[in-house]
Amino acid sequence: EAGVAQSPRYKIIEKRQSVAFWCNPISGHATLYWYQQILGQGPKLLIQFQNNGVVDDSQLPKDRFSAERLKGVDSTLKIQPAKLEDSAVYLCASSPSGGAHREQYFGPGTRLTVT
Amino acid sequence: AQSVAQPEDQVNVAEGNPLTVKCTYSVSGNPYLFWYVQYPNRGLQFLLKYITGDNLVKGSYGFEAEFNKSQTSFHLKKPSALVSDSALYFCAVPKDSSGNTGKLIFGQGTTLQVKP
Repeated sequence: EAGVAQSPRYKIIEKRQSVAFWCNPISGHATLYWYQQILGQGPKLLIQFQNNGVVDDSQLPKDRFSAERLKGVDSTLKIQPAKLEDSAVYLCASSPSGGAHREQYFGPGTRLTVT
Repeated sequence: AQSVAQPEDQVNVAEGNPLTVKCTYSVSGNPYLFWYVQYPNRGLQFLLKYITGDNLVKGSYGFEAEFNKSQTSFHLKKPSALVSDSALYFCAVPKDSSGNTGKLIFGQGTTLQVKP
């Protein structure tokens, strides 16, 4: 079974530029998560999708971050414009459903550096 | 509010010795608890979880964790450490254990260093 795929693996941009990250979850997984992991900290949820609907985006900085999962499969996370504090690893995870008892399967992450 | 705490930033053990990585929790409702491991330049991998039932939970790679309700702890253990166990370990709890959201609240992480 293929795991969660993410691209690119690394990205370096200047502040005020825009960037997009792509995630393809495990086949059949209805729930998709985007997390932000700042160096030295645990991951923090940005947004959770159930199929193509948003379940929780309370921690997403909506003035600059956006995410979509149009067909309920793969997803894109965008930052526009980027700030220095957005430097982090962006992790995508999926699970068969969104239940609190379900483990999540993580992709390798995209390391973003904003200069 | 749900939370977890990992009191140690780093744990050092010698190969072959037992290891413990500590986690304490504060939850209301069902105490679903998780351990994840992160190897360098890789995403998190699920190790084990406590949902209900036996307080000793067995997981991947020979790891186990003991749920202790009176001490509100969920420490990760392994009888004999390997150098390849060196990684960053996260304890996590769902933000809402009674709902359908799987949003996880992670601890700050503990770096495990196993020396040969």
